[in-house]
Formats: sequence, C-alpha cells, structure tokens
Amino acid sequence: DAGITQSPRYKITETGRQVTLMCHQTWSHSYMFWYRQDLGHGLRLIYYSAAADITDKGEVSDGYVVSRSKTENFPLTLESATRSQTSVYFCASSVVGTDFEAFFGQGTRLTVV
Amino acid sequence: GQQVMQIPQYQHVQEGEDFTTYCNSSTTLSNIQWYKQRPGGHPVFLIQLVKSGEVKKQKRLTFQFGEAKKNSSLHITATQTTDVGTYFCAGPLSNFGNEKLTFGTGTRLTIIP
Repeated sequence: DAGITQSPRYKITETGRQVTLMCHQTWSHSYMFWYRQDLGHGLRLIYYSAAADITDKGEVSDGYVVSRSKTENFPLTLESATRSQTSVYFCASSVVGTDFEAFFGQGTRLTVV
Repeated sequence: GQQVMQIPQYQHVQEGEDFTTYCNSSTTLSNIQWYKQRPGGHPVFLIQLVKSGEVKKQKRLTFQFGEAKKNSSLHITATQTTDVGTYFCAGPLSNFGNEKLTFGTGTRLTIIP
C-alpha cells in the first residue's frame, strides 16, 4: 500500500551503532505500530502510538526508542544495536472507528554485524 | 501474559487439497483478525470476527470464531498456488483497547503443484 512507507528497505549496521528506521503514513491514521518479525516468533509488538506525542511499550521494547511529534511519522531508533536485533521490522497503522484493521508497510530488513 | 498460539507451524498440501489453521488464545478475545503474508511481502488484512460463534466466508476461505471467543480457525477449500503464504491470527493485547494486536506465530502454507 502506497499510504504507508518505510525506509530504508535494507540496512546493515555494526554492533553498538545507533540506527533509525523511518515510517511515514499519508492516511492520518491515529494509531501506529512497530513490529519485529523473526522466524518462529511471528510478529511481536515493539511500540505503539495512539496519537502524536502518545506512545506506549509493547512486549519487546528493550533497546528501542520511538517518537511521534507528527501524526504521519513514527521513527524507531535502536540506541545501541545488538545482533539479537537483526530482524525484519514492520510499521503499521490503523484508525479508530473501523475494525482496527492494521495496514502494514513493506518492511525493513535490518542486519546487525 | 496473554498468548495467541497457532497450529500447525507449517503445512504442505497438494494443490486442490483443503487446508486449515487453528488459533488459540489464553484469554477471551473481544475480536480476532486474520492476515496473510506472501513470501517476501508484508501482512495484509483478510477479515475480522467479533461475535461468538461467528462464521464468515470469502470465496474459498471460511473463518470461524469459537463460542467462547478463545479460538478461531481459517479453512481454505481446494487450495491454489495463489494461497501460498503465511497466515496469522491476531487478537487485542488487552481488554482495555482493541488497537494493540498480539499476533500468533503463523502457519506457513506451501502448495505442491
């Protein structure tokens, strides 16, 4: 879906470096999410945001930081990347008043070496 | 914590055979959603079930929500190669909001032509 875009699509970084994954949506959806996908674990929620300046932790938030100064952007920062954070990261959005259907971005494949 | 389990993890079927994946939650869910992820792609919303015992159909796909609202199933009749992918169920993370989805581990379906 063109309405939610992630960048970069692929990223290789070194252990200990800070890296930021970008997410932008054009629908003005109030809710935005970050998930990571690892084999055998499905999709696990890292952080979510109900609106600008409102964020909350998910089940695997350690080592990650988010911000949401504008409704359309929801960047995810790995403060000091570790190899265990090698994963595929998906950003998603949804809107109150519907079935809370989540619309996903194309994903960012992050490798920490 | 609340868990959403999905079985089987993998399923290989001959083209034309039926396929079923099962989803079980440790707690009662207010609703359950199903997503499909094609290989290399991102999850795409299929459907949401809300009512106890609800059954919904989409062409060859039949979705059921259990009477106790703790389990669900997706059945595909006469599989086709286009059905290849991973199917996820997802339910709200808590009883206080429908927006935070906990995803099952997924069932990866492969089709043998």
